[in-house]
Amino acid sequence: ETGVTQTPRHLVMGMTNKKSLKCEQHLGHNAMYWYKQSAKKPLELMFVYNFKEQTENNSVPSRFSPECPNSSHLFLHLHTLQPEDSALYLCASSQDLELAGRDTQYFGPGTRLTVL
Amino acid sequence: GQNVDQPTEMTATEGAIVQINCTYQTSGFNGLFWYQQHAGEAPTFLSYNVLDGLEEKGRFSSFLSRSKGYSYLLLKELQMKDSASYLCAGMDSNYQLIWGAGTKLIIKP
Repeated sequence: ETGVTQTPRHLVMGMTNKKSLKCEQHLGHNAMYWYKQSAKKPLELMFVYNFKEQTENNSVPSRFSPECPNSSHLFLHLHTLQPEDSALYLCASSQDLELAGRDTQYFGPGTRLTVL
Repeated sequence: GQNVDQPTEMTATEGAIVQINCTYQTSGFNGLFWYQQHAGEAPTFLSYNVLDGLEEKGRFSSFLSRSKGYSYLLLKELQMKDSASYLCAGMDSNYQLIWGAGTKLIIKP
């Protein structure tokens, strides 16, 4: 398998549930990202990891908890979510944090999350 | 504050040309990206501009004017498969991407 993969592709959960989103990149990249994409809104950067260390947390509520056990895997643990958290959650990776030249972010297909 | 603006939706005809505009305000500037995103799929990289001018890549071209904080994506010989959302993102001095909300492009036969 190549590129960036995400599982599950679709997830429906109640507000009291606990679930995890998984992202895996097969590109040998050092930086990984979690984004939230809501309809007709810009991509919202949630978390950034570089060499497994978290470098960015954009004031994300604590009900979202990231984990990066190694530079190929990234998780987003979810608990006691709200209906407004329903969105597409995208994972991305890049060679380095500083996208110099034509380095770019490669995205996974996303997890469509619905919170009931 | 930082922001990137682009039209919400555009419609064009198969075989025609369409230009999608983007204006940006970032703290510092390290380049302007365009991505394509088909419904239900991952965004994929289209172009990167850091110097003024036009960069052509097949049917797609991207233009940048740093003094005006302006970019456009030009799509020629439109095909039905070009129906997608096009995301503009400016990179600030911290190498963080500031994203627009995307332009949904509808291609009609």
